Amino acid sequence: GAGVSQSPSNKVTEKGKDVELRCDPISGHTALYWYRQRLGQGLEFLIYFQGNSAPDKSGLPSDRFSAERTGESVSTLTIQRTQQEDSAVYLCASSLVPLYPPGDFGSGTRLTVV
Amino acid sequence: AQTVTQSQPEMSVQEAETVTLSCTYDTSESDYYLFWYKQPPSRQMILVIRQEAYKQQNATENRFSVNFQKAAKSFSLKISDSQLGDAAMYFCAYKPETSGSRLTFGEGTQLTVNP
Repeated sequence: GAGVSQSPSNKVTEKGKDVELRCDPISGHTALYWYRQRLGQGLEFLIYFQGNSAPDKSGLPSDRFSAERTGESVSTLTIQRTQQEDSAVYLCASSLVPLYPPGDFGSGTRLTVV
Repeated sequence: AQTVTQSQPEMSVQEAETVTLSCTYDTSESDYYLFWYKQPPSRQMILVIRQEAYKQQNATENRFSVNFQKAAKSFSLKISDSQLGDAAMYFCAYKPETSGSRLTFGEGTQLTVNP
């Protein structure tokens, strides 16, 4: 089937606006991860979902960031009142095995805050 | 805190030659996993190879192999018979066995393959 799908591919938004990023994991993958990648840097962990368990939100950088996932389906990452430092590529990944390192990544959403 | 360091921001190799990418890490854990990921211009991360710290044998996946030196906290990636399609950003990553979900990534090495 299809791989991990993310939308939009690119997003330009004005400072102060809210944005919503979407991730469609591979069907049957119970684990879902969000990462942020700033220009020229490695990936920063944001949040992890596993089935109906409470998510690991320990990587969210501020209370402007939130994410939701219902069961084993689509996840949305919301950034409120965007700031220029939020500009980055946001990558989603899913995994069949809980806590297994993600092997299936989407192509990311490039967010630019102007 | 765990850190991962990739000291080579850029590397280049001639097609069909061998190249080694370096990675060091800092941890107080005894049980952990190490990974190399490849990120082509499409941005989609691809898991290349993994190594469990408790295994002494170095992992190998076709043309990709690692040199894991636990005492030195070193985890280098060797790419043999380099191909044009190997050109990408390569990230080293670390995950302690107890951490659950969190991977710590290095800052990456941009690999260029010259024809």
